[in-house]
Amino acid sequence: NAGVTQTPKFQVLKTGQSMTLQCAQDMNHEYMSWYRQDPGMGLRLIHYSVGAGITDQGEVPNGYNVSRSTTEDFPLRLLSAAPSQTSVYFCASSRDRLNTEAFFGQGTRLTVV
Amino acid sequence: GNSVTQMEGPVTLSEEAFLTINCTYTATGYPSLFWYVQYPGEGLQLLLKATKADDKGSNKGFEATYRKETTSFHLEKGSVQVSDSAVYFCALSDPGGVTQGGSEKLVFGKGTKLTVNP
Repeated sequence: NAGVTQTPKFQVLKTGQSMTLQCAQDMNHEYMSWYRQDPGMGLRLIHYSVGAGITDQGEVPNGYNVSRSTTEDFPLRLLSAAPSQTSVYFCASSRDRLNTEAFFGQGTRLTVV
Repeated sequence: GNSVTQMEGPVTLSEEAFLTINCTYTATGYPSLFWYVQYPGEGLQLLLKATKADDKGSNKGFEATYRKETTSFHLEKGSVQVSDSAVYFCALSDPGGVTQGGSEKLVFGKGTKLTVNP
């Protein structure tokens, strides 16, 4: 019972590099989202998707890009990494946009040097 | 807009002590309310939820009651264990808020770290 799977678990990037954080869910959930977690800030929404082919911005979208070509996958792309993007990133999915229960991945700890 | 305010941590208790973590909210519609828990090194997982006023959510000995009159959803447990040490997040989802200027998205509080000592 995989649930929400994120890869990689840890990553170190140099400033200016790009990379993609992967997220996959096997629950056939329509709604997927990306959050970042920073000390004292709680979780902040980066981007979300209400279904394949539909994405929208959250609270802190700058510097990130997403796409949703399938129901299962929702990758997050960092276009040009900056030290301010050092954070722990969580992907989540829920059955629908009503968020009756969100399932979270285990997180990706990203450090940008 | 929608927001959640929860008590600042960290909270340190001895085993078998009573726990209360306060949570209040602001919402434009009629939100659903949640408590999520994050154990060290893991993602968040749903602890309990309530979808309408006066509902009580409960799980693993934790309880929270949806109080519309005080816009609160405080988390309580009568006797905490060392294994309850984690970060607790209060959250709301306001699906009816879209047409009222609100948002259907989950909004989280900043989290409260709980440490329970033996």
